[in-house]
Amino acid sequence: DAKTTQPTSMDCAEGRAANLPCNHSTISGNEYVYWYRQIHSQGPQYIIHGLKNNETNEMASLIITEDRKSSTLILPHATLRDTAVYYCIALGSQLIWGAGTKLIIKP
Amino acid sequence: DTGVSQNPRHKITKRGQNVTFRCDPISEHNRLYWYRQTLGQGPEFLTYFQNEAQLEKSRLLSDRFSAERPKGSFSTLEIQRTEQGDSAMYLCASSLVGASYNEQFFGPGTRLTVL
Repeated sequence: DAKTTQPTSMDCAEGRAANLPCNHSTISGNEYVYWYRQIHSQGPQYIIHGLKNNETNEMASLIITEDRKSSTLILPHATLRDTAVYYCIALGSQLIWGAGTKLIIKP
Repeated sequence: DTGVSQNPRHKITKRGQNVTFRCDPISEHNRLYWYRQTLGQGPEFLTYFQNEAQLEKSRLLSDRFSAERPKGSFSTLEIQRTEQGDSAMYLCASSLVGASYNEQFFGPGTRLTVL
């Protein structure tokens, strides 16, 4: 299972795009990259996932580099409710979770 | 609400006591996971089931921990002879293997405090 590394914390102004990076340099060819977020005292919530191609859904966009060694989650218009810890995970059998990035959206 | 549910939501116990938690997954989901999470850390994988079969256990899971999913539906996680270090949030998640993607749906967790 590949390990991922993320910055400990980030700030973003409300209404701006929040770009959260993730490194997964040891990811194998068939491992998907998943993003979840966890709002205080709740269980993690799925956001998006991808393998090779960039992906977009109603919550976010996921940009994966061509070599698949890193990815960026983009929240296009951050709101105060997007304040949470964001986890990037390479899906294997165990889902190894790091400490995530604490994203704080500021008014 | 047809999401993942966990009971109890909070449990306070004395060191040395046994505790049992229950997880009810989304009904059609065949895979069920247990995680443990301590403050400031991401969820730590404990074990998972596919239907009633326990397919993988973390090597971090001591023999005081046992999990069951007897009929392939709900699951229980038991901790025997609890220690203060067992204090954590215990999360359950379920997923549908064979769907287009293996998204895990998490429950609200059970917060265990061992005094």
